[in-house]
Amino acid sequence: DTAVSQTPKYLVTQMGNDKSIKCEQNLGHDTMYWYKQDSKKFLKIMFSYNNKELIINETVPNRFSPKSPDKAHLNLHINSLELGDSAVYFCASSQILNTEAFFGQGTRLTVV
Amino acid sequence: AQTVTQSQPEMSVQEAETVTLSCTYDTSENNYYLFWYKQPPSRQMILVIRQEAYKQQNATENRFSVNFQKAAKSFSLKISDSQLGDTAMYFCAYYSSSGNTPLVFGKGTRLSVIA
Repeated sequence: DTAVSQTPKYLVTQMGNDKSIKCEQNLGHDTMYWYKQDSKKFLKIMFSYNNKELIINETVPNRFSPKSPDKAHLNLHINSLELGDSAVYFCASSQILNTEAFFGQGTRLTVV
Repeated sequence: AQTVTQSQPEMSVQEAETVTLSCTYDTSENNYYLFWYKQPPSRQMILVIRQEAYKQQNATENRFSVNFQKAAKSFSLKISDSQLGDTAMYFCAYYSSSGNTPLVFGKGTRLSVIA
């Protein structure tokens, strides 16, 4: 059983399109995150949700909108995709805000 | 703001040898946790080891151990008996247990284990 799963693993799309990445965790954790890993492998927090409520929203364009229908799911919707959005996006979860995080396998987004 | 610095972008080690990856961090807090994550070519982020700042004893997980120097704000990872499967990016990470600061990562060290 995969603890944190995200779909799709790969996503290739054209500029201007809208796309979503889904994330689910079966660990019973209260907190979920989205991280972005750029081409230089740098990992940066984008959002953090605790019990379906937004806790952290770093400086991210408002084209990115997370949605948490329940505490086991945190989806990421991106509008009007740009070339600079190409990266690997990781979903993660933890039991209490900011304890060790368990990561999904990542989604490699390529905008062409 | 907390920062994590990994000063070695790339390292290599012969199979069965020992290698140490460096990490320093900057914080004014007293209670925090430190982690090493491994990211192999499969892209999966895997927790290798964790250290609570209030514990003086260095954490150990099989071939992986840390040298935690709280006063120096240093948190190095030692890999003993290196194996080909240890080839990966290694990230040092910090989080504070006292606030809303998210997990902060260093820029990573690419480790290559050579047969």
